Amino acid sequence: EVQLLESGGGLVQPGGSLRLSCAASGFTFSTYAMSWVRQAPGKGLEWVSVMSGSGGTINYAESVKGRFTISRDNSKNTLFLQMNSLKVEDTAVYFCAKDVLPGITDCFDSWGQGTLVTVSS
Amino acid sequence: SYVLTQPPSVSVAPGKTATITCGGDYFGGQSVHWYQQKPGQAPVLVIFYDSDRPSGIPERFSGSNSGNTATLTISRVEAGDEADYYCQVWGSGSDHSYVFGSGTRVTVL
Repeated sequence: EVQLLESGGGLVQPGGSLRLSCAASGFTFSTYAMSWVRQAPGKGLEWVSVMSGSGGTINYAESVKGRFTISRDNSKNTLFLQMNSLKVEDTAVYFCAKDVLPGITDCFDSWGQGTLVTVSS
Repeated sequence: SYVLTQPPSVSVAPGKTATITCGGDYFGGQSVHWYQQKPGQAPVLVIFYDSDRPSGIPERFSGSNSGNTATLTISRVEAGDEADYYCQVWGSGSDHSYVFGSGTRVTVL
C-alpha cells in the first residue's frame, strides 16, 4: 500500500523559511516523479513543484519560482520542499503527490494527508 | 498560462446523474484527469486518461474528452458523492506544469 506522510508545517512570519518533508513507502520511490500541491484555505488546488524520479528534471509554478526548492533523497524515500521568503499568500495545506506511472508526469494517483503552513505576523 | 474552466457548483438529486464540465482552449491531445475531494481530506483520483477508472472507483463514475471540453459524469448519485471535483491536465508545452481546474462543488439535494 502506498503511503505518503508530510511533516514540517507550522506557523512562520512573512519572510521566514520552512522545510517540508514527505516520507514515502509502498512503492519504488526512485522511479516516480513526485510533486508538491497546495490548497489555500477555502480555495482550489494549485500545483507547486515537481521533481523526476532521478532528480534530473525539476519544474516550479511561477508563483514560487526563485523562493522554493524541491529535492529528494531516494536512499531515504523522502521528498522535500525548502520554502524561503515566505509570503502571506503561501498560507495553505501542502500535499505531496505521486505520479500515476513510473518515469512520466501526468496525474497523481496517491496523495498525502497534507501539512498546514501558515504565514502570518 | 493554461486555464481550465469548471462550473462552480452542480446540484443533483439522489439517484440522478451529475455532469461536470471542464473547458480549455484546446487540450492539445492531452488527457484529462479528475479528482474528488471531500472536506478535510486529500484529493482522490477518480478518472484518469480521460475515461479510465482507478481500482476501487465505482463504475458510476465515467469520463469523456471531446478535445475542447472534458466531462465527468456521476450516475445514480449517492449522498457520499457530495464533494469538490477538479479536472487536471499536464501542460507539456513551455509550461511543463500540472494545471488544475477551478473546481466544482457537487451538492446532493
